[in-house]
Amino acid sequence: DTEVTQTPKHLVMGMTNKKSLKCEQHMGHRAMYWYKQKAKKPPELMFVYSYEKLSINESVPSRFSPECPNSSLLNLHLHALQPEDSALYLCASRQSYSNQPQHFGDGTRLSIL
Amino acid sequence: AQTVTQSQPEMSVQEAETVTLSCTYDTSESDYYLFWYKQPPSRQMILVIRQEAYKQQNATENRFSVNFQKAAKSFSLKISDSQLGDAAMYFCAYRSPLYNFNKFYFGSGTKLNVKP
Repeated sequence: DTEVTQTPKHLVMGMTNKKSLKCEQHMGHRAMYWYKQKAKKPPELMFVYSYEKLSINESVPSRFSPECPNSSLLNLHLHALQPEDSALYLCASRQSYSNQPQHFGDGTRLSIL
Repeated sequence: AQTVTQSQPEMSVQEAETVTLSCTYDTSESDYYLFWYKQPPSRQMILVIRQEAYKQQNATENRFSVNFQKAAKSFSLKISDSQLGDAAMYFCAYRSPLYNFNKFYFGSGTKLNVKP
């Protein structure tokens, strides 16, 4: 069982839709991540939140909007996505300021029609 | 920026045999953290093993061990007694304790096939 829970597991949406991905962890981790992953490629970092504040934005298009309402929850709001945004979206968390690794969720498989 | 290189896109191993996956990295730092992650078709990324650069002893976790060569900037993963469940994508990752310390740099991955 994963300790980082992502919902939904699968999402199909049109280019004009608005949807959100959700990530939750209860391990007390204070750093949370969003990654985008294409098939057979490494995860590409999108955003990092540290202590509920956005610390890294890897020049992600504004159609992706992250939100960290509290230390356990991370959202990714999606709007007007393009077909090339179809991918696996992974959430991860870790203890900040330590040598601890990331813990990943199972991901959301996103398909844009 | 730090770069991580995995030069073997795909490898195969016979069940019960040993295989070594290669990883090299480029950094000017003396202290850092290295990780190997496994991603099976079920898609969750799972930590296999980690190494702190200041530790000279190579990390081991059951059938998994690393050969950490700091001077050569090499961090290879050895899997002993390979099992069918070891079939997955394997990613090497680097993290700095100072510069951009929340960021993990991943290699391009090695797909490991395990033959029965």
